[in-house]
Amino acid sequence: GENVEQHPSTLSVQEGDSAVIKCTYSDSASNYFPWYKQELGKGPQLIIDIRSNVGEKKDQRIAVTLNKTAKHFSLHITETQPEDSAVYFCAASPFKAAGNKLTFGGGTRVLVKP
Amino acid sequence: KAGVTQTPRYLIKTRGQQVTLSCSPISGHRSVSWYQQTPGQGLQFLFEYFSETQRNKGNFPGRFSGRQFSNSRSEMNVSTLELGDSALYLCASSLMASGGDRSYEQYFGPGTRLTVT
Repeated sequence: GENVEQHPSTLSVQEGDSAVIKCTYSDSASNYFPWYKQELGKGPQLIIDIRSNVGEKKDQRIAVTLNKTAKHFSLHITETQPEDSAVYFCAASPFKAAGNKLTFGGGTRVLVKP
Repeated sequence: KAGVTQTPRYLIKTRGQQVTLSCSPISGHRSVSWYQQTPGQGLQFLFEYFSETQRNKGNFPGRFSGRQFSNSRSEMNVSTLELGDSALYLCASSLMASGGDRSYEQYFGPGTRLTVT
C-alpha cells in the first residue's frame, strides 16, 4: 500500500520568514495530494491540494509543488504569521471513481514566533 | 453551508463495551470516510462509504464497522472496546460526483474524542 513520509516533524520559524514542509510517497498510482492544517481541538482543514497533472499551485501565501518523477511534493508558506502555527499534514490518494482513500504523513508541528 | 458535524464530541467508555459514532456530511456530499487519529499511529483510514456501500476499508479489525444511510449520514461502530481504541475519530465528506475538479476534496468534521478506560 501507499506510504507517505513527512519532514520535518517540527519546524520553528520567525514571523515573516518562510516555512517549507516536504513529503515523499511510494505508490506511483497516487494522483491527488492535499495538505491539511490542524489546530488544537479541531479537525484537519483542507488548505491546498494538487493533482498529478499539475506541477505547482499557489493560493496567496501558500504554494505546493509536485515532482512526480521523484515522488515528492512540498508545501511552502511565505510571510508566516502567528496564526500559521498548527500541525500540518500531507496526504496522497490514488483517487479514482471507485474510491478516495487518503494516506497521511506523520505531520509537522509549525511554530511561528512573533 | 454547514460543515461536517459529528456527535457526540466526547465519549468515555469501559473496556468491553461498544460505541456508535455519528457523522452528518456537508449537504450534497455523497461520500463519507472515517479516520482514526492517535499520537502514536497518526491519521489512519478506517473505511469509506458511498451511496450506502462500503467502497474502501483500511487495516482495522472486524470490531470496527460502519454504515451509511440514504441521506448520506454515516455511523461507525466499535464493539468490544480495547484501551488502544482511545483516539480521535474523524469523519470526512466529499462530493464524489462524476467529473469535476473538486469532487474528491475531503472536508473533515471536528471529531469524536473516545476514551476507553
